[in-house]
Amino acid sequence: NAGVTQTPKFQVLKTGQSMTLQCAQDMNHNSMYWYRQDPGMGLRLIYYSASEGTTDKGEVPNGYNVSRLNKREFSLRLESAAPSQTSVYFCASSEARGLYEKLFFGSGTQLSVL
Amino acid sequence: RKEVEQDPGPFNVPEGATVAFNCTYSNSASQSFFWYRQDCRKEPKLLMSVYSSGNEDGRFTAQLNRASQYISLLIRDSKLSDSATYLCVVISDSSYKLIFGSGTRLLVRP
Repeated sequence: NAGVTQTPKFQVLKTGQSMTLQCAQDMNHNSMYWYRQDPGMGLRLIYYSASEGTTDKGEVPNGYNVSRLNKREFSLRLESAAPSQTSVYFCASSEARGLYEKLFFGSGTQLSVL
Repeated sequence: RKEVEQDPGPFNVPEGATVAFNCTYSNSASQSFFWYRQDCRKEPKLLMSVYSSGNEDGRFTAQLNRASQYISLLIRDSKLSDSATYLCVVISDSSYKLIFGSGTRLLVRP
């Protein structure tokens, strides 16, 4: 099983450029997430989708948009990249939101915005 | 004050040592607790859940202290392969919001 697959692994953008990070899971999970990880800050939730057809803002949604294309896929779009968006991005999925939720992560995307 | 706080370390220990990390949380309504492990430049992976009665998985023991609002992870007989960053995760009962600590880095030396 591939688990959670996200692409690309690395990306360099210029300020103002746009791009979409792709994420797909093959575990039939209902919930999907996008996190960013910065040194000393821990993982911060950008957006999540509790189930197919729904999306909600997380802790740091500004500058991002998401699309839950179907149950398997959840994409993250940067419309106009800024240097503050330089980070490592992780997609994750879980069976469902709840008290005993266990996340499965993709391998990450290292994004640099110059 | 951060909702979940961890000592960033690094904890530098010799192989075979016993090492323990704590993670404090500020929301007394927190209900679920987990430890994730993250290797350098890799994704986090679930290490173990933390139950009220404490739980053990091989060399790893996790404990919860609700009165003092912290969880702990004890690693016995440390191996070189235990070198990683250990993230604690807390879930509140009201919003099912997962909150990650920023991690404690462990280095196990030969």
